[in-house]
Amino acid sequence: GAGVSQSPSNKVTEKGKDVELRCDPISGHTALYWYRQSLGQGLEFLIYFQGNSAPDKSGLPSDRFSAERTGGSVSTLTIQRTQQEDSAVYLCASSLKGTGGAGGYTFGSGTRLTVV
Amino acid sequence: ILNVEQSPQSLHVQEGDSTNFTCSFPSSNFYALHWYRWETAKSPEALFVMTLNGDEKKKGRISATLNTKEGYSYLYIKGSQPEDSATYLCAHRGNQFYFGTGTSLTVIP
Repeated sequence: GAGVSQSPSNKVTEKGKDVELRCDPISGHTALYWYRQSLGQGLEFLIYFQGNSAPDKSGLPSDRFSAERTGGSVSTLTIQRTQQEDSAVYLCASSLKGTGGAGGYTFGSGTRLTVV
Repeated sequence: ILNVEQSPQSLHVQEGDSTNFTCSFPSSNFYALHWYRWETAKSPEALFVMTLNGDEKKKGRISATLNTKEGYSYLYIKGSQPEDSATYLCAHRGNQFYFGTGTSLTVIP
């Protein structure tokens, strides 16, 4: 597509439920990042996919969080047994190259997750 | 994770004032420094990509400088307007790509 698409744009869920957030990157972009921004906090790195390499999961805050990227394109971030502290804006970004190159990243518009 | 820091965390200025804020980053293993402007409920918008020590970039009333040897970049806004209100993010590209926590700017009419 023309840009990075994220869905849903807003999600309200009850504590304890599982949620799935979707990111559709720009076609051909090999690198894909998930970030989140909690209220009053900065952007927090979650996970990084680069081509067919094993993802860098070092930013995932707990084992309730997982992500996959199918066919090197669409990515799904799954949060199991959601907690109130999971409430945040979840941003996805993609880039033509993961490292090297002077190009920046294109961000999606984010998914605002509210756990009640 | 690299330590990219931005200061101040938030800033309120009067319309017409000029302002600036800082992004600091590890000076080793530098490739590029990116500045983004992020308005609430919108995607961050790329402002500048800077790669060379001493780089200066300008876009309208916004400009940025880069010092890779000491590991900092300044973003300047001249004659702030209410529409400049946003969070300004910097990101360091080395072996990885890491964002600072942003500076939230509010311009008061």
